[in-house]
Amino acid sequence: TQLLEQSPQFLSIQEGENLTVYCNSSSVFSSLQWYRQEPGEGPVLLVTVVTGGEVKKLKRLTFQFGDARKDSSLHITAAQPGDTGLYLCAPGADKLIFGTGTRLQVFP
Amino acid sequence: DVKVTQSSRYLVKRTGEKVFLECVQDMDHENMFWYRQDPGLGLRLIYFSYDVKMKEKGDIPEGYSVSREKKERFSLILESASTNQTSMYLCASNSGATYEAFFGQGTRLTVV
Repeated sequence: TQLLEQSPQFLSIQEGENLTVYCNSSSVFSSLQWYRQEPGEGPVLLVTVVTGGEVKKLKRLTFQFGDARKDSSLHITAAQPGDTGLYLCAPGADKLIFGTGTRLQVFP
Repeated sequence: DVKVTQSSRYLVKRTGEKVFLECVQDMDHENMFWYRQDPGLGLRLIYFSYDVKMKEKGDIPEGYSVSREKKERFSLILESASTNQTSMYLCASNSGATYEAFFGQGTRLTVV
């Protein structure tokens, strides 16, 4: 089973701060997905990155796929309490295996 | 609106009972999944089905079995529930076209 390590495991910050979370593997992926899970809900897809070096922006969220397509990062600018949740990465594949997750708490 | 529906939001069962968790999707997806989510442990794959009557073990299949008799329905079975199977269970589906996964609301199972 491919292993996706996410870091940090937990992150607790104040509103307005910037943060970056990471998703790393020793495997090469054809694409990588990022999901966010809010308390009491199932995960929801945020973005899929496909090309090595690709950068995608979703409002205050910036996603980057590593050049070698083994890793990815998610940067949040000026975090808000609504960003609170569990952030998960997963390779785009029929068999969906998620990374270990980063639990983010943003305090007002 | 696409939908994955799990039969129960909350369930309490006794140790040793046979438990069925049902999941239905309306998107004609080939792939369906059952995950277990425990505090601090993310989502762990129990079983995966890529077609009717086809299944593949995930990372933690012990103590579980699955059934997929129809494309839209994927059932998770706990043959003899134990207290260490108390958890949140999430069902999901995706297609091979985009791999975007859609999740149900989850079933919080408590085994007493």
